[in-house]
Amino acid sequence: GQNIDQPTEMTATEGAIVQINCTYQTSGFNGLFWYQQHAGEAPTFLSYNVLDGLEEKGRFSSFLSRSKGYSYLLLKELQMKDSASYLCAVREGDYKLSFGAGTTVTVRA
Amino acid sequence: IAGITQAPTSQILAAGRRMTLRCTQDMRHNAMYWYRQDLGLGLRLIHYSNTAGTTGKGEVPDGYSVSRANTDDFPLTLASAVPSQTSVYFCASSDGREADTQYFGPGTRLTVL
Repeated sequence: GQNIDQPTEMTATEGAIVQINCTYQTSGFNGLFWYQQHAGEAPTFLSYNVLDGLEEKGRFSSFLSRSKGYSYLLLKELQMKDSASYLCAVREGDYKLSFGAGTTVTVRA
Repeated sequence: IAGITQAPTSQILAAGRRMTLRCTQDMRHNAMYWYRQDLGLGLRLIHYSNTAGTTGKGEVPDGYSVSRANTDDFPLTLASAVPSQTSVYFCASSDGREADTQYFGPGTRLTVL
């Protein structure tokens, strides 16, 4: 089974950087995903890490340390449209994902 | 290409009634999933299907059933709805590539009174 922890809420200023941490415990790690979910909408895929290290995609980066059971999502140059929930999800085995409760990020002007 | 569609968008249902939530994908993905999302609990897997003709139980399967007669459709049925099944339901499918990324439908907001 999974135990996935991430902060409930974070607030940051437009143009700033925010780092969302995710810790997990699993018996068979097979990949970690980050999703973005705007209020009232479906989750959309942001990033995928299966090996240790940093994956960069434009303003968003995701880091993974398998030995520490730790990941973070880094959002740079924050924009108002980045206000959303960010979901950390861990795959154990071939198909199934387990999700954290999500981190709500509020970007202030 | 629509991706994943769900119907209805929202529904208010009396307790004890039977309800089927529909999910259709046109991406020819083998695997499909049903989640419910409740405030503070995140997305929880109800049932999944690795390929047409097979289904499996997720984290919270009680009170729900699914079928997978073909690749495109994956309906979720509540045989006798109860108020605790009030939630937002998301259907997803995954592409089977290295990351096997899951893509989500727009969701169905269900209220059971």
